[in-house]
Amino acid sequence: AQSVTQPDIHITVSEGASLELRCNYSYGATPYLFWYVQSPGQGLQLLLKYFSGDTLVQGIKGFEAEFKRSQSSFNLRKPSVHWSDAAEYFCAVRTNAGKSTFGDGTTLTVKP
Amino acid sequence: DGGITQSPKYLFRKEGQNVTLSCEQNLNHDAMYWYRQDPGQGLRLIYYSQIVNDFQKGDIAEGYSVSREKKESFPLTVTSAQKNPTAFYLCASSIVQSESGYTFGSGTRLTVV
Repeated sequence: AQSVTQPDIHITVSEGASLELRCNYSYGATPYLFWYVQSPGQGLQLLLKYFSGDTLVQGIKGFEAEFKRSQSSFNLRKPSVHWSDAAEYFCAVRTNAGKSTFGDGTTLTVKP
Repeated sequence: DGGITQSPKYLFRKEGQNVTLSCEQNLNHDAMYWYRQDPGQGLRLIYYSQIVNDFQKGDIAEGYSVSREKKESFPLTVTSAQKNPTAFYLCASSIVQSESGYTFGSGTRLTVV
């Protein structure tokens, strides 16, 4: 069965600093990987996805993620964080059957 | 504008009652999903459907039921058999292919009173 681990429950960064959120997955076949963002009391919004090709993928809001098969990782990065980026971030793996498994999420706090 | 609509936004249930959460999409997506979210936890799959008149149990289906009579609609009923129903419920839809991400609704917060 597939699984997703987000090792950091909570991360705090200063506005303007760089950000990296970690994600490790376990899945036997080629993974389809996603990052979503959730504001309090809202649904999730898709930030970016990887399914083949270039291992560095670009998303919305200036985010990017790098797929590393050897490390089973799909870390999310942003060069300069804005206060509006404060939210909860979820990594997910989608199987060939179409279901997605989500990590427990990382809450991002941005200090002024 | 295409999207996915969940209603109501807030719902209160008395002990022993069944309640139904609505989920409607106009994205022409074949697949629809129900997830439950509890504080500090990720999303857990309740039920999903990839075609009209067919659906499958997810990881935590006990105490819940669904129907898929129309492509656009995938209502979730929380039955009295669900012992701890207080949670945030999220509906999502997608095309069936695995490289597609999900479109989520804005959620329904269910509280037992």
